[in-house]
Amino acid sequence: DVVLTQTPPTLSATIGQSVSISCRSSQSLLHSNGNTYLNWLLQRPGQPPQLLIYLVSRLESGVPNRFSGSGSGTDFTLKISGVEAEDLGVYYCVQSTHAPWTFGGGTKLELK
Amino acid sequence: EVQLVESGGGLVQPGRSLKLSCAASGFTFSNYYMAWVRQAPKKGLEWVATISTSGSRTYYPDSVKGRFTISRDNAKSSLYLQMNSLKSEDTATYYCARRGEGPDYWGQGVMVTVSS
Repeated sequence: DVVLTQTPPTLSATIGQSVSISCRSSQSLLHSNGNTYLNWLLQRPGQPPQLLIYLVSRLESGVPNRFSGSGSGTDFTLKISGVEAEDLGVYYCVQSTHAPWTFGGGTKLELK
Repeated sequence: EVQLVESGGGLVQPGRSLKLSCAASGFTFSNYYMAWVRQAPKKGLEWVATISTSGSRTYYPDSVKGRFTISRDNAKSSLYLQMNSLKSEDTATYYCARRGEGPDYWGQGVMVTVSS
């Protein structure tokens, strides 16, 4: 199975600060159809995961544009340009290029 | 608006069975692969099962293969997870999820506790 390694495991930020989360894959996530199926999810406390970014860099409808995704192959990054209080929670990367779906271990974003 | 609503969770003894349901609305259910993903208390996310659009193909990790069965009823826009021979390590919140470009929409989740 593909292993996704997220760093850092915990991130402390102040409101307005920009932060980045890394997701590194044990193998390339480029599918034979040319797509890279790497998504980013946010799970707020007590809530289910919600989709932020799909196909590496495409912003899900309704998600603020302070969120952005980048990367290719095995290295991916989620950036939040100006953290807001509602952004606190655990961020997960997930790949669906290779069966089975696998998830990163999560990055907890908390207020400094 | 896409909605996924799970039901059927609860407290069950080890070795017993439980069936989860997920009612879908707001999209053409029969056009999408669907999946179950679980999250043990204070832990990360773990994929549990996936089913094709027609239901003819199903996929499981080794941890639940032979014990769990995913199924669907496209006429009712519903997804199911039959869980047999439950173990304490199956204790988790179970989410149904739609497979768009990867998992996109998620239900609110249903808690399953396996304990004597």
